[in-house]
Amino acid sequence: SQQGEEDPQALSIQEGENATMNCSYKTSINNLQWYRQNSGRGLVHLILIRSNEREKHSGRLRVTLDTSKKSSSLLITASRAADTASYFCATVGTGGGNKLTFGTGTQLKVEL
Amino acid sequence: DAGITQSPRHKVTETGTPVTLRCHQTENHRYMYWYRQDPGHGLRLIHYSYGVKDTDKGEVSDGYSVSRSKTEDFLLTLESATSSQTSVYFCAISEDPSPLHFGNGTRLTVT
Repeated sequence: SQQGEEDPQALSIQEGENATMNCSYKTSINNLQWYRQNSGRGLVHLILIRSNEREKHSGRLRVTLDTSKKSSSLLITASRAADTASYFCATVGTGGGNKLTFGTGTQLKVEL
Repeated sequence: DAGITQSPRHKVTETGTPVTLRCHQTENHRYMYWYRQDPGHGLRLIHYSYGVKDTDKGEVSDGYSVSRSKTEDFLLTLESATSSQTSVYFCAISEDPSPLHFGNGTRLTVT
């Protein structure tokens, strides 16, 4: 079963707007990561947030984590057409090792 | 792509035949993973390895086996391919607890 579930499943916005994607998970985590996947390619890591962190920034990306609600959000500011991709959250549990469990993803389309 | 090569990139095979997919890394990372990606399911972990000859099952391991005899190579074998194993297979590598680096995938079609 999937640990993370993204919402919405699909999102279409205009260039320059902000895009927000949400992720919910079920069990305690060590960290949560966001990945991007362009069509026909492998996933690319974007950002990692640890369970004791509440917010993290990387360029135009802002990630928040609320462990009490078991949820995270990814905000992409001033979106560009090149941001068109699928975005996945993935969680690492507290049981040790580095085994990631992925959600089903959000398909983002940024239109000119 | 972080020194990860998956081969073949595309394969069409018949039901009941054995298939082996190869993942080769040049990063000397400890962890290697095999995921499958299907519409509506995201990525699901098949097997992973935390060292040479050290492997463990993921959530969808039935019908798959793996081997890792060298740090750089991680093989995924479908002993007897079925149509339900038609999918895109991704290999990934990492050093604990850092993020995963993915290959570009192998598209497998079982007819």
